[in-house]
Amino acid sequence: EDKVVQSPLSLVVHEGDTVTLNCSYEVTNFRSLLWYKQEKKAPTFLFMLTSSGIEKKSGRLSSILDKKELFSILNITATQTGDSAVYLCTIPQASGGTYKYIFGTGTRLKVLA
Amino acid sequence: NAGVMQNPRHLVRRRGQEARLRCSPMKGHSHVYWYRQLPEEGLKFMVYLQKENIIDESGMPKERFSAEFPKEGPSILRIQQVVRGDSAAYFCASSPTLSTDTQYFGPGTRLTVL
Repeated sequence: EDKVVQSPLSLVVHEGDTVTLNCSYEVTNFRSLLWYKQEKKAPTFLFMLTSSGIEKKSGRLSSILDKKELFSILNITATQTGDSAVYLCTIPQASGGTYKYIFGTGTRLKVLA
Repeated sequence: NAGVMQNPRHLVRRRGQEARLRCSPMKGHSHVYWYRQLPEEGLKFMVYLQKENIIDESGMPKERFSAEFPKEGPSILRIQQVVRGDSAAYFCASSPTLSTDTQYFGPGTRLTVL
């Protein structure tokens, strides 16, 4: 059965710290891995990764995929209180010609001022 | 271009009542997905619909739950005879084409069953 495992489940840091969030997966027919940020509303898209070793970057956030070891990491540098959220890792799984998401449980990040 | 819209945002029902959750996909999107998020858990896929068709309902409980996406109007997730265990956040997502990986999420409906 396809699965996505995220760690840690929760994390508390202080502003300015750097954090690394992990996502490991076991899926058949891997296509891509996506990261979303969920605050008290809709999950918002961060990154989609398809190739190993190519870092995607957006401001203080970056992510990379390792298809050999079957994991991805999401890095946040110089964290701010606005980074507090649940970070979701997901793998699209083929379904009826499109893709349904298999989600990890998420990592709850709290950044203290 | 408005995003995915869901209503109501919060819904309170007593055990045994019916809950109706609505989702309007982004303009131009014809693929709708429903996910459920139980407290302290990740999102779990429930059902995928195209206009007037249920394509994959493998994640939806066999009883009391149903979904539709009519030719006109929003997609509806219907829960009959709700129980306390149905309390969760229900998220809808949409995508524009068959083969895209990126789904766009609505703000969710938080259902509380008393």
